[in-house]
Amino acid sequence: GEKVEQHESTLSVREGDSAVINCTYTDTASSYFPWYKQEAGKSLHFVIDIRSNVDRKQSQRLIVLLDKKAKRFSLHITATQPEDSAIYFCAAANYGNEKITFGAGTKLTIKP
Amino acid sequence: EAAVTQSPRSKVAVTGGKVTLSCHQTNNHDYMYWYRQDTGHGLRLIHYSYVADSTEKGDIPDGYKASRPSQENFSLILELASLSQTAVYFCASQARDAEQFFGPGTRLTVL
Repeated sequence: GEKVEQHESTLSVREGDSAVINCTYTDTASSYFPWYKQEAGKSLHFVIDIRSNVDRKQSQRLIVLLDKKAKRFSLHITATQPEDSAIYFCAAANYGNEKITFGAGTKLTIKP
Repeated sequence: EAAVTQSPRSKVAVTGGKVTLSCHQTNNHDYMYWYRQDTGHGLRLIHYSYVADSTEKGDIPDGYKASRPSQENFSLILELASLSQTAVYFCASQARDAEQFFGPGTRLTVL
């Protein structure tokens, strides 16, 4: 089955700098790559996704890049703010997105 | 707004006892999921369902059963709770080929 590896278990950046979280996946059939955010003590919520027919997607300060050849994707958060502090999970799913495999999560801390 | 609720929000159970976690969604979504979250493991899929009266095994189904009596409701059943099942459990719902909406989670402690 699919395996998703999230390379950074923790990440600390200064407020205003950019943060990058990297993930790799194993199944070439995966075609949908969502990202979820979990704030301290709370549940997860969706933040952004990318599908395999594009290699870049941006939503405000969030940019997702996808390299299908390397089976790698990444989340870039620009101009970080304190409210960006959270655990971020990458995930991968096949067409139809019925079954998602999550990475282990990256705890992002934004320092003042 | 999409809504997924879980009950109970926390529970303490005894080893060998039966535990039922309930999930209710008002999103009119076909797909529902049960995950467990453990530190360092992210979310792992236990069971999921595409349609009422049908469930599928996820990646770690051993020791768990699931029931989907209606589109809105999805339960996770631990027939014989064990210490290793102490975790936070999340339910989620999803429309086909769209993002998942998560419930608030249930913190289960097995003693």
